[in-house]
Amino acid sequence: NAGVTQTPKFQVLKTGQSMTLQCAQDMNHEYMSWYRQDPGMGLRLIHYSVGAGITDQGEVPNGYNVSRSTTEDFPLRLLSAAPSQTSVYFCASNYGGGTLETQYFGPGTRLLVL
Amino acid sequence: AQKVTQAQTEISVVEKEDVTLDCVYETRDTTYYLFWYKQPPSGELVFLIRRNSFDEQNEISGRYSWNFQKSTSSFNFTITASQVVDSAVYFCALSEAAQGGSEKLVFGKGTKLTVNP
Repeated sequence: NAGVTQTPKFQVLKTGQSMTLQCAQDMNHEYMSWYRQDPGMGLRLIHYSVGAGITDQGEVPNGYNVSRSTTEDFPLRLLSAAPSQTSVYFCASNYGGGTLETQYFGPGTRLLVL
Repeated sequence: AQKVTQAQTEISVVEKEDVTLDCVYETRDTTYYLFWYKQPPSGELVFLIRRNSFDEQNEISGRYSWNFQKSTSSFNFTITASQVVDSAVYFCALSEAAQGGSEKLVFGKGTKLTVNP
């Protein structure tokens, strides 16, 4: 198993550009989440999904869109990037279904918005 | 609302010292889960432990041990005989047992541990 994979590893954007951060998992996990990590702030939940076709907002959803068309993939879209979105983004997945197993994190995507 | 506080921003110790990382949490739920993650300089997040709110037994795994006390809402992490490889940022996190079994983590801001040779 590859686990949770994220692409790209690093990206530079200009203000106003759009892009999609990719996240995929091959563990047949129901639950997937996106977090952002900023210096001194820990990780904060952006959006999460409890299954294909179902998504919901986390603590800091503004400026981000998500969709979940398959169990494996959970892309995060920035429609118009802003410097405040400069961060490291982590995707995570877990089995869910009441088991509350630990979350498995991807390696992260470092995003710089100029 | 859930909250996790890691009051120690940075800790520096000399190798072989014992070190305790503090974690205090707030939640209204009676059922919840507590976690510790390690983030080494390479940046990935490494799962260390998960405890549920009904199990207050302390846990030991090699040089790592965890002290869970509901009375003080704390879940502290101790590294015995620290090593340079323990240098990392350590995060404490909390998850409430929401309906549907979803697991949304609330993280503390992390404690950066530096172990000097």
